[in-house]
Amino acid sequence: NAGVTQTPKFQVLKTGQSMTLQCAQDMNHEYMSWYRQDPGMGLRLIHYSVGAGITDQGEVPNGYNVSRSTTEDFPLRLLSAAPSQTSVYFCASSYSRRYEQYFGPGTRLTVT
Amino acid sequence: KQEVTQIPAALSVPEGENLVLNCSFTDSAIYNLQWFRQDPGKGLTSLLLIQSSQREQTSGRLNASLDKSSGRSTLYIAASQPGDSATYLCAVIGQETSGSRLTFGEGTQLTVNP
Repeated sequence: NAGVTQTPKFQVLKTGQSMTLQCAQDMNHEYMSWYRQDPGMGLRLIHYSVGAGITDQGEVPNGYNVSRSTTEDFPLRLLSAAPSQTSVYFCASSYSRRYEQYFGPGTRLTVT
Repeated sequence: KQEVTQIPAALSVPEGENLVLNCSFTDSAIYNLQWFRQDPGKGLTSLLLIQSSQREQTSGRLNASLDKSSGRSTLYIAASQPGDSATYLCAVIGQETSGSRLTFGEGTQLTVNP
């Protein structure tokens, strides 16, 4: 049981490049979310999903896309990277809003 | 809009001391409250989850309480150890929100000195 896994752990991008941050969970959780963590701003929700095929925007969705084709995977796509997207990105999952949320180890992204 | 505040922002204590971390939230209509621990450069580790109908939860040396009507939660750490040094975050899920959106405080950075 690996829990929530994220790849890559570190990534450096140039402005304008695109990439996909991977997130997977093996706990059969319906709910999955993406957060970014920035100094002085805490953790903020980017996008979330309540099941395969269902996604919605969080607090800071601009510049990011998501899709959920399977229960296990919830990738986050950066369409055209900007320096403002330099951050640490965390994926989380849970059975439902009533239950404990589990976080992945994070991806540290730098955009130059 | 829900806001979560944690005081103090940083705390330094000698080993063995009992301590209390505070969390307050502005909207009492919450589903539950969760306490996390974050070590430098690492992800978040869940410590305790308190449902809105509960008053407290305990795990080992940790005890979390919830007073929903006053918008407060405390995390009590007994007999602190250097290994407890980390940032502690509290987060709530509001009843009005969809999905499992957590609203986080900015955390309390705890240092336990040997």
